Formats: sequence, structure tokens, C-alpha cells
Amino acid sequence: QVQLQESGPGLVKPSETLSLTCTVSGGSISSYYWSWIRQPPGKGLEWIGYIYYSGSTNYNPSLKSRVTISVDTSKNQFSLKLSSVTAADTAVYYCARLVVAATGAWFDPWGQGTLVTVSS
Amino acid sequence: DIQMTQSPSSLSASVGDRVTITCRASQSISSYLNWYQQKPGKAPKLLIYAASSLQSGVPSRFSGSGSGTDFTLTISSLQPEDFATYYCQQSYSTPIFTFGPGTKVDIK
Repeated sequence: QVQLQESGPGLVKPSETLSLTCTVSGGSISSYYWSWIRQPPGKGLEWIGYIYYSGSTNYNPSLKSRVTISVDTSKNQFSLKLSSVTAADTAVYYCARLVVAATGAWFDPWGQGTLVTVSS
Repeated sequence: DIQMTQSPSSLSASVGDRVTITCRASQSISSYLNWYQQKPGKAPKLLIYAASSLQSGVPSRFSGSGSGTDFTLTISSLQPEDFATYYCQQSYSTPIFTFGPGTKVDIK
């Protein structure tokens, strides 16, 4: 079955850009939507954005000015860039497949998550 | 924006108890409501989609109901592995998605 794995630096300095990659295995990235979701320590889940394998994107309005999600179908990967980070961006970042159907849209499966700390 | 609330924010229950968690949307979202389970240190796992459809592999003691603004997740007989935090998520406002704040279920 499809599995997802996040990778990237665990520590980012304030004002710099957070960069993460999600590698999809066990299936093709094509014909699906792929998403990033984050969870600050001890808090709830926040949807960041998604990308279709063709490259079309949608972002959370609260983060839109700082977020870029891209896809590399040749590597079966998609990536997240979040610019001008502050301590408030410290969180566990998850990648997930976004399943879109007539009855709605849901996230399944998820990667294991990676903690990114913003600190100097 | 559609806001999601959950009640209670936490509850204590015993193995074998029937547990009900409520999720409420700030406006009607039809049946565009999903439920996830998250155990400490783990990623969320999809339990229920489209308000009442059980995800493959999820035990039948989990069930979902509701439409419009009010939804419930029910665990018919709580098992030790069910102690976790549960989140609802709406997809009515696709392409924007929001989660509820979560309900933590712990051992009484």
C-alpha cells in the first residue's frame, strides 16, 4: 500500500525558509492530490495546502503568502517551502494523500511526521 | 470560514464503555465530515469518512452519524487501544479544509 515519508532539516533559524520533502512509495504520485498538515506541540491540526500531481495548488489563506508546494513526479515526491518562519511555525509537519470523492475529501494515508523547530 | 468545535474537549472512560464525541460546524456542511484517531507520537489515522462510512480496516465498534451541523463519533465498547485524541475535519469548503480542536479520551 501507499506509504509516505517526510524528510528535511529539523532545525530552522527564524526568518529563514523551511523546506521539507515527502517521498511516496508503494504507488504512483500521479492521479492524486497530496497535502501538507502541521501540528504545533500539544495543539491541534492545521491544514497547510495541497497539490495535484499536475502541479495545481491550493493553500490555507492564513499561510498563503509564505507557502509553496511543488511536485516532482519523476521522483514520486512533493515538497513544502514555508518562508520567513518564526517560532510559531514550530510543529510536527505531516504529508498525506488527499482523497477527493463525490462524498467529500479526506486525508489518507499520512506520513509519520517530522518535527521542525524554529530557533536561532 | 467554517469553524469546527468538538465536545467534550476531554473525557475519561473505562474499557467497555460506550463513548460519544460530538463535532459541530458553524454552518451546514451536509455530510462532508471525517473523523481521525491520533495516538501520542503518531500520525492521525482516518476512521470515518463522509460522516458515516467506515474506513477499511477500522473496527466496527467505531461509527459515525449526523449531517448538517451536528455529528457524532461513537465507540460502542471502548478498548484499551482506543485511548487517543479524536479529530473531526470538514471538506464542505473544499479547497479549504479545517479540523476540529480534538477530543482526548483517556483512562478513568
